[in-house]
Amino acid sequence: NAGVTQTPKFQVLKTGQSMTLQCAQDMNHNSMYWYRQDPGMGLRLIYYSASEGTTDKGEVPNGYNVSRLNKREFSLRLESAAPSQTSVYFCASSEPSGLDEKLFFGSGTQLSVL
Amino acid sequence: GENVEQHPSTLSVQEGDSAVIKCTYSDSASNYFPWYKQELGKRPQLIIDIRSNVGEKKDQRIAVTLNKTAKHFSLHITETQPEDSAVYFCAATLSGGSYIPTFGRGTSLIVHP
Repeated sequence: NAGVTQTPKFQVLKTGQSMTLQCAQDMNHNSMYWYRQDPGMGLRLIYYSASEGTTDKGEVPNGYNVSRLNKREFSLRLESAAPSQTSVYFCASSEPSGLDEKLFFGSGTQLSVL
Repeated sequence: GENVEQHPSTLSVQEGDSAVIKCTYSDSASNYFPWYKQELGKRPQLIIDIRSNVGEKKDQRIAVTLNKTAKHFSLHITETQPEDSAVYFCAATLSGGSYIPTFGRGTSLIVHP
């Protein structure tokens, strides 16, 4: 049982380059999320998808786009990377059924934008 | 939207001491309060959670208390061990429906042997 799989683990970009972070879960969860983690700032929500076919902005969506490709996969795209997007990115999933709503996180992507 | 404040940002204790981390939330509708532990270089993982119909929950050396009236909840770790060293995040959300957890900024707990 792999849980939440996130790729790549590390990435270095130059300012203006684009890239897509991939995330897949095998727990049949409806909800998926993208967070960024910066020192002293906690986990800030970039985008989320409450179910297949829907996406919504979180707290810090500027500079990002997402795609909920199917129930398993939720990707995050940086169209024109900026140094302010240097961060650790976590994908997560959950099944907010009211019974067990904990988030399952991927292993993270450490992104540096030069 | 929900706003979660977490204190302290850093907590240093001696092995065997107790540690307490406190969080306050702003939205009185929030009813689910999880705590996540993140070891260095690892992903956050749930360690304990509490719902608004419960005032306290324990799991071995960790416990969480909730005061709905004051809108604050706390994580208590007793008999701390070096392996408890990590960053701890509290969160608040509305169970079911539009479940969007809002996280505190985290507490770095350091347990000295």
